[in-house]
Amino acid sequence: GENVEQHPSTLSVQEGDSAVIKCTYSDSASNYFPWYKQELGKRPQLIIDIRSNVGEKKDQRIAVTLNKTAKHFSLHITETQPEDSAVYFCAASYNNNDMRFGAGTRLTVKP
Amino acid sequence: EAQVTQNPRYLITVTGKKLTVTCSQNMNHEYMSWYRQDPGLGLRQIYYSMNVEVTDKGDVPEGYKVSRKEKRNFPLILESPSPNQTSLYFCASKDSGTGWDTQYFGPGTRLTVL
Repeated sequence: GENVEQHPSTLSVQEGDSAVIKCTYSDSASNYFPWYKQELGKRPQLIIDIRSNVGEKKDQRIAVTLNKTAKHFSLHITETQPEDSAVYFCAASYNNNDMRFGAGTRLTVKP
Repeated sequence: EAQVTQNPRYLITVTGKKLTVTCSQNMNHEYMSWYRQDPGLGLRQIYYSMNVEVTDKGDVPEGYKVSRKEKRNFPLILESPSPNQTSLYFCASKDSGTGWDTQYFGPGTRLTVL
């Protein structure tokens, strides 16, 4: 089955800096890669996703890149703000069904 | 308001006492799923359902049962809970079992098994 590894487990940046979180997956059949943000005590919420037919997707300060050959994908957050502080999860699946998540990255943005 | 609801939100129980965590969505979604969240392990899928009467095992189905008799409800059943099932549980739903729709999560149920 699919195995997703996520790094780093914790990340601390200064406000205004960029943050990058990386994930690798094992199943070459996976074709959908969402990223979720979970604030303390809250439910996970989708922030961006990418399908395997696209190499990069951007939404304002957030971007995701996908390298199918190397089986890794990354989340990039630019101009970080304190409200970006949260736990971020990557995930991989085939057709958005049998979802496998990474272990999460706790991002802290220091004002 | 479109939402996924779970009950109870918090539950403390003892080993072996059967329990059910309910999940309901009011968005007429076909797909529903259960996850458990444990520190350092992220979210792990327990079971999912593509539609009424269709359920499939996720990554960690052992010790759990589900049923999908109607579209809006997807209860999670622990027939004989054990302490290693102490966890935070999330139900989720999305429009289609075959589409690229956004998955919406419920508020979570924190279960403690003593």
